[in-house]
Amino acid sequence: DVKVTQSSRYLVKRTGEKVFLECVQDMDHENMFWYRQDPGLGLRLIYFSYDVKMKEKGDIPEGYSVSREKKERFSLILESASTNQTSMYLCASPPSSPGLLREQYFGPGTRLTVT
Amino acid sequence: AQSVSQHNHHVILSEAASLELGCNYSYGGTVNLFWYVQYPGQHLQLLLKYFSGDPLVKGIKGFEAEFIKSKFSFNLRKPSVQWSDTAEYFCAVNAGGDDKIIFGKGTRLHILP
Repeated sequence: DVKVTQSSRYLVKRTGEKVFLECVQDMDHENMFWYRQDPGLGLRLIYFSYDVKMKEKGDIPEGYSVSREKKERFSLILESASTNQTSMYLCASPPSSPGLLREQYFGPGTRLTVT
Repeated sequence: AQSVSQHNHHVILSEAASLELGCNYSYGGTVNLFWYVQYPGQHLQLLLKYFSGDPLVKGIKGFEAEFIKSKFSFNLRKPSVQWSDTAEYFCAVNAGGDDKIIFGKGTRLHILP
């Protein structure tokens, strides 16, 4: 079974703090994704990575950055957290299939509250 | 750009009622289509998927979906819902060859016992 794990289930941070959200997958997948999930807005793609040290902006990258130093780990960074970044953050990873993206396997999510 | 539209934000049904959740996408080429489900307090998990072949696909827990290319639709159905189907349902699309999966805004389904 593919396993996608996230470092924290719940996180509370103060405005202006630097926040790191970690995601690890254990199946040697090349692609990894970060989404945020908000009521009534569904899942919105923040960033994704298709290889080590490679990253692409998603639909809402502002205020975020990412790091992929190792294949199994994909970090989402909030350089200076703001209250509008309070959300559920989901990491996902599909199996690697050249030319065809398979279904996403999701982590349990990190519920971040910025006060 | 790809987009996904789910028609209903919140659906309330009684047990044993039939269910149909609408999903339309905008992309003219080859697509891969998904329905995901998120039960309260749990991970998002795949319900069913369509890549090619028979446009009527069957998923877990008695769900099915029909891909109608001419209507750009991929509606989710279940003939008789149960209280345990209470969850949020997301339709998603991946355009062939693209790296991204685009999700709809979700439909909250509430089943009355």
